[in-house]
Amino acid sequence: QVTLRESGPALLKPTQTLTLTCTFSGFSLSASGMCVSWIRQSPGKALEWLALIDWEDDKYYSTSLKTRLTISKDTSKNLVVLTMTDMDPVDTGTYYCARVSRDAYNSIDKWGQGTLVTVSS
Amino acid sequence: SYVLTQPPSVSVAPGKAARITCGGNNIGSKPVHWYQQKPGQAPVVIIFFNGARPSGIPERFSGSNSGNTATLTISRVEAGDEADYYCQVWDSGSDHLVFGGGTMLTVL
Repeated sequence: QVTLRESGPALLKPTQTLTLTCTFSGFSLSASGMCVSWIRQSPGKALEWLALIDWEDDKYYSTSLKTRLTISKDTSKNLVVLTMTDMDPVDTGTYYCARVSRDAYNSIDKWGQGTLVTVSS
Repeated sequence: SYVLTQPPSVSVAPGKAARITCGGNNIGSKPVHWYQQKPGQAPVVIIFFNGARPSGIPERFSGSNSGNTATLTISRVEAGDEADYYCQVWDSGSDHLVFGGGTMLTVL
């Protein structure tokens, strides 16, 4: 059974750095075709893709947020970490990690429950 | 960057068919995936690779993709289908995962 779970701070002040951890089970990120992505959703808004890391440790970032994002993985611990610098109130939202399968045409076949991050002074 | 365009809202009476479109430049050449998101929940994939249904997804959900438009069709709509629906592709030109803006389906 594939599961993903996000963890991290619920509240941040402006200019702080957000560090989110995605802990997963039921698959290995060293297996060919496996990827983990981060996606966020501001309140009442659409899904927004942030970053993706694949089994070969290749990393891909949203163009608009690239300068603020870093994604990394620890395959032995089954976790993926996303950092986002210089947080602003507009970054408030629910952050999801999700499994993306290259073999399934880059579809997202499993999502975490999401974690709400609020940025406020 | 690649853009996917969805209508903000679609309304349909129970028992009728709902069609939600996803427009993109030559989207017919890309595998399209669809997600359903109910309030307070994470999205769930309901269609992948244009028209394939994951196990557990009712046959009432179907998809097609051609030219510049992909379409999600929900036949015999039920009250429980009321949700936001998102289309998604991988844009190999930019190596970006792209979502449409989402469509809110209202069952009248």
